Amino acid sequence: EAQVTQNPRYLITVTGKKLTVTCSQNMNHEYMSWYRQDPGLGLRQIYYSMNVEVTDKGDVPEGYKVSRKEKRNFPLILESPSPNQTSLYFCASSGTSGGSYEQYFGPGTRLTVT
Amino acid sequence: AQTVTQSQPEMSVQEAETVTLSCTYDTSENNYYLFWYKQPPSRQMILVIRQEAYKQQNATENRFSVNFQKAAKSFSLKISDSQLGDTAMYFCAFMKGAFFPRLTFGEGTQLTVNP
Repeated sequence: EAQVTQNPRYLITVTGKKLTVTCSQNMNHEYMSWYRQDPGLGLRQIYYSMNVEVTDKGDVPEGYKVSRKEKRNFPLILESPSPNQTSLYFCASSGTSGGSYEQYFGPGTRLTVT
Repeated sequence: AQTVTQSQPEMSVQEAETVTLSCTYDTSENNYYLFWYKQPPSRQMILVIRQEAYKQQNATENRFSVNFQKAAKSFSLKISDSQLGDTAMYFCAFMKGAFFPRLTFGEGTQLTVNP
């Protein structure tokens, strides 16, 4: 089954404690992205990657890091989380073959930073 | 930079009736792509319908259709024969190019379908 997986689905942590949210896709997609969703603001892009070792900032990159060492994985790293990073996070992927440009979303990760 | 605006934070409709959700956007691009995503209580993002700006014909997917007005930069979603399962948050989204993985989302409209 074609899918994007994220782990963990729920995470409660404390300010300053480094964490990583993993994202993996099994569709051989070139493109992967991270978004955060906040009430009244919709989804905003944090970082995106157009291929292995190619990443770029989205609209709200401050406080986040990413890496793309393998095509299927795109982890999101919060090196020193703060309460304003409490949010719902989505990973997404899309490809360039077959004429389909649709972004496929993971199930979301609910992060709470206290 | 592109912006997407959904001016209706909440809407409600009776089951079996028709409802229209509004979306406007601002861009200087000529070729772009527009989407409506549905987010039910499960929080999963589900693509409802897409529209390529170069196509004049409005997209339809079963009970869902759009009214795409390129000159007015308007992209509304019409849901016909509303069902209880349509209750969800709906997001309008803009993408600059087919192979440019950056979606710009509106604020969302919470739709409630009443029995």
